[in-house]
Amino acid sequence: AQSVAQPEDQVNVAEGNPLTVKCTYSVSGNPYLFWYVQYPNRGLQFLLKYITGDNLVKGSYGFEAEFNKSQTSFHLKKPSALVSDSALYFCAVRDPYGGSQGNLIFGKGTKLSVKP
Amino acid sequence: DTAVSQTPKYLVTQMGNDKSIKCEQNLGHDTMYWYKQDSKKFLKIMFSYNNKELIINETVPNRFSPKSPDKAHLNLHINSLELGDSAVYFCASSQEGVKTFGPGTRLTVT
Repeated sequence: AQSVAQPEDQVNVAEGNPLTVKCTYSVSGNPYLFWYVQYPNRGLQFLLKYITGDNLVKGSYGFEAEFNKSQTSFHLKKPSALVSDSALYFCAVRDPYGGSQGNLIFGKGTKLSVKP
Repeated sequence: DTAVSQTPKYLVTQMGNDKSIKCEQNLGHDTMYWYKQDSKKFLKIMFSYNNKELIINETVPNRFSPKSPDKAHLNLHINSLELGDSAVYFCASSQEGVKTFGPGTRLTVT
């Protein structure tokens, strides 16, 4: 079965420090991977995606993610965290059996807390 | 301009009632979805429509019925509401794999 795992419920980082939010995946075939962010009382916003090509993907708000096929991981990173980055982050993989429109299977989310 | 909009934002109702949530997207996307986010923030697909046709119908009770009058709208009607239906419901649309989500509707069943 296709799945993503976010092993950390919460990540705490001091402002200005680098941050990493972890994600591993299990999928048959080539993975299509995504990161979304959810701010309090808001809908999810797309951050970045990996389909093919460079393993390092750059996205919105200075975030990037590194695709690692051997470790089946797609960790989200940012060199210098901001307090405004505090939110809930979801990793997702496209379900290859979810029809041609690509239903997403989401991880359970990781709460990122950036302290001043 | 709001890309994906949902109404209402909050919905409080009693068990047994019937309610609807409306969704509209102005992005010209062909595919629309309904997701349910539970109290633990877990997101699960409920339905997916492509150009007004149902293409994904996950295991949800048949009290939930999506209706797509045109490809810009995907409404969710819920009959005989139960306590366990309390959640945040997100509408989304997609193009080239990237989903745009609405702001969510927080449904509370008392």
